[in-house]
Amino acid sequence: EPEVTQTPSHQVTQMGQEVILRCVPISNHLYFYWYRQILGQKVEFLVSFYNNEISEKSEIFDDQFSVERPDGSNFTLKIRSTKLEDSAMYFCASRVGLAEGYEQYFGPGTRLTVT
Amino acid sequence: AQSVTQLGSHVSVSEGALVLLRCNYSSSVPPYLFWYVQYPNQGLQLLLKYTTGATLVKGINGFEAEFKKSETSFHLTKPSAHMSDAAEYFCAVSDRRAAGNKLTFGGGTRVLVKP
Repeated sequence: EPEVTQTPSHQVTQMGQEVILRCVPISNHLYFYWYRQILGQKVEFLVSFYNNEISEKSEIFDDQFSVERPDGSNFTLKIRSTKLEDSAMYFCASRVGLAEGYEQYFGPGTRLTVT
Repeated sequence: AQSVTQLGSHVSVSEGALVLLRCNYSSSVPPYLFWYVQYPNQGLQLLLKYTTGATLVKGINGFEAEFKKSETSFHLTKPSAHMSDAAEYFCAVSDRRAAGNKLTFGGGTRVLVKP
């Protein structure tokens, strides 16, 4: 069964460093998402991406964040200058198409630790 | 803005007993509704969804949920708990009017199953 994959599973970085989290969505999916979950808190929406552009972003997704689909298969989240408060589990998700109501399929997550 | 409330961050049930997880939402129009499950060190897996039609929906692993518009609720039940049901459960909604369909999550309910 097709699945969303994410790499790395765990990333440790120092404050101020750039990190890139990678995701490979399910191949025929058209919508892509990033969510994050800070330890002990809710899963929060960061950004959605469709047709090679951001379709919606949350207040969390400021200028330090960017997303890219560089090669038609990977979907990346870049944090330019990490802060301690960026430590969280980051989930990538994808959805099959434009029809409303289709569920999102989630990857296993990348745990980002900023020291 | 939409919001989701899950009553009870932790629920303990005996094996074979009824599992009942409560979810209430706040939205100007009835949203799409989802329940996801997260097993330790894994991503979010869809249990079931309500988009339209029959308000009682059945999902995987013997779970079902009922959409009650008048109560703005989408409670999750399973008649008989199994040890393998120990996990964290998330209720989520998305705005059926928005093409991007970002998910808004509740805080999650961690289920412990006692032998």
